[in-house]
Amino acid sequence: ELKVEQNPLFLSMQEGKNYTIYCNYSTTSDRLYWYRQDPGKSLESLFVLLSNGAVKQEGRLMASLDTKARLSTLHITAAVHDLSATYFCAVISNFGNEKLTFGTGTRLTIIP
Amino acid sequence: GAGVSQSPSNKVTEKGKDVELRCDPISGHTALYWYRQSLGQGLEFLIYFQGNSAPDKSGLPSDRFSAERTGGSVSTLTIQRTQQEDSAVYLCASSLVVNIQLLGNTIYFGEGSWLTVV
Repeated sequence: ELKVEQNPLFLSMQEGKNYTIYCNYSTTSDRLYWYRQDPGKSLESLFVLLSNGAVKQEGRLMASLDTKARLSTLHITAAVHDLSATYFCAVISNFGNEKLTFGTGTRLTIIP
Repeated sequence: GAGVSQSPSNKVTEKGKDVELRCDPISGHTALYWYRQSLGQGLEFLIYFQGNSAPDKSGLPSDRFSAERTGGSVSTLTIQRTQQEDSAVYLCASSLVVNIQLLGNTIYFGEGSWLTVV
């Protein structure tokens, strides 16, 4: 069974600082997704990473994928308050069906 | 419509009643997913459809839960004899391309149906 783990689970950081959220998964996969969820809201797609070494950037967020290490990172640069949310990674295994398995989520709070 | 549409957006029901939740995916999307998210928790996979068939039903919590999809479009998730532990947000998602890994098939989520069983 595919397992997806994120760390940290909770993260408080000051505005202007940099930090990284890690997503590890347990099986071979070339497809990894990052989502953002605001309280009481649905999931907003941030990035789709489809190959080893893939890197995507949008504003202050940058995501990368290392399929050999089964690791994806979401890097936050010079954090601002608007980035406060819960961030989820999700993986589709290369084997079997198209089930999208989510990580536990990282609740990010940016402190002024 | 422009996005994944779910209804009802909120539902309060009495324990023991049946409920139906509807998902209208983005037009043309072949894959459809149902997830459940309890308050402050992560996302629990329920079922996914490729067209009208459901290759993976492994996430359905019990035989009180069932789902169908007709015409490769609208899907209905039915919960029979609801229990208080069924209270959660039920999220539907859809994507255009399945099983073609080289294409960036973004999976889009709806706003969810908030179910409260009292």
